[in-house]
Amino acid sequence: SQQGEEDPQALSIQEGENATMNCSYKTSINNLQWYRQNSGRGLVHLILIRSNEREKHSGRLRVTLDTSKKSSSLLITASRAADTASYFCATDLGSDYKLSFGAGTTVTVRA
Amino acid sequence: NAGVMQNPRHLVRRRGQEARLRCSPMKGHSHVYWYRQLPEEGLKFMVYLQKENIIDESGMPKERFSAEFPKEGPSILRIQQVVRGDSAAYFCASSPRDRGNTIYFGEGSWLTVV
Repeated sequence: SQQGEEDPQALSIQEGENATMNCSYKTSINNLQWYRQNSGRGLVHLILIRSNEREKHSGRLRVTLDTSKKSSSLLITASRAADTASYFCATDLGSDYKLSFGAGTTVTVRA
Repeated sequence: NAGVMQNPRHLVRRRGQEARLRCSPMKGHSHVYWYRQLPEEGLKFMVYLQKENIIDESGMPKERFSAEFPKEGPSILRIQQVVRGDSAAYFCASSPRDRGNTIYFGEGSWLTVV
């Protein structure tokens, strides 16, 4: 069953603006990961946040995790055209390899 | 993820034919995973293999699909007698071990069944 659900389904922003997307999940997790996928390409791992962490940063990315609400958010600051992609959250289903992905948020950054 | 090599990148098969997708994990990685992405959907876990062993195939369809990771050579995902519904992107991923590590994905193999 699909555990992670991203919201919104699609997002269109102007270059330089921030993009925020959310992920909700149903059951307890050990960690949550965010991936980026450019059209027709593979997934690029962005960031992993463990269940005992609340916030993590990597460059222009900021991820939060609220285990009480079973939700996570990904913030991309100062977006660039190259950030145009689909973003997926993935939660573990009892093991680190059996990840459950949502349908993704498609982000379009307009120049 | 540049280190996980998949081929072919694109494959077209007629209904009833066989599709073979190959995956070479990143150097030093002994764990391989296959995922499938149907159009407009997220990835779905199919199978987890180590060298010469299938560890978890709970996501594999019961018929026509098989996977192997031999002692020598790449991992193979084999789909026999393909149907239109098998059209999808098939992603291979690898990790050095199954716990506490990020898994790295390849660029995918896009199968189109006509």
